[in-house]
Amino acid sequence: QKEVEQNSGPLSVPEGAIASLNCTYSDRGSQSFFWYRQYSGKSPELIMFIYSNGDKEDGRFTAQLNKASQYVSLLIRDSQPSDSATYLCAVNGPGGSYIPTFGRGTSLIVHP
Amino acid sequence: EAQVTQNPRYLITVTGKKLTVTCSQNMNHEYMSWYRQDPGLGLRQIYYSMNVEVTDKGDVPEGYKVSRKEKRNFPLILESPSPNQTSLYFCASSSNSNQPQHFGDGTRLSIL
Repeated sequence: QKEVEQNSGPLSVPEGAIASLNCTYSDRGSQSFFWYRQYSGKSPELIMFIYSNGDKEDGRFTAQLNKASQYVSLLIRDSQPSDSATYLCAVNGPGGSYIPTFGRGTSLIVHP
Repeated sequence: EAQVTQNPRYLITVTGKKLTVTCSQNMNHEYMSWYRQDPGLGLRQIYYSMNVEVTDKGDVPEGYKVSRKEKRNFPLILESPSPNQTSLYFCASSSNSNQPQHFGDGTRLSIL
């Protein structure tokens, strides 16, 4: 059974700080990794995706992937109250398998 | 505008009364999926489809049916709904198994 683990939080950070969200996964064959943001009662929306080891930056967001250690993280710089949401980590397996595994999400609270 | 459209958005019904939740995407995506989201359990995949007439079970397929007669549509059918199928349902699509998913706005089902 593939597993994706996230700390449920809540993670509370002050406005302007860096929020660090972490995710570990069990399937070493996993190939693609996604971070989605979900506001309460709304649908998940893509924040970042990463396929290769290392860092990938997009504006205030940086995704970090370490396949050897089987973890992927999301850094949010200059956190804003509007970043307060649940962040879902999702992991896809090798090609031919289309059963993405989602973590249960980390709740982030950015307080003014 | 690229989108995934689900209907209805909300439905309250009774045990045993067959219902269908429709899903349509306008991005010519090959892959489509249905998820349910329950508090504390995260997103779990019900069924997915890799192309027309190709469907397969996800992690929690019991009590559900799907069909993929056209590329753009992927309806979810509950032949005999039961209260344990009360949940928030999302349809999603993507161009292939390693690309991010686009989610619909969700359907909140209550089975009494």
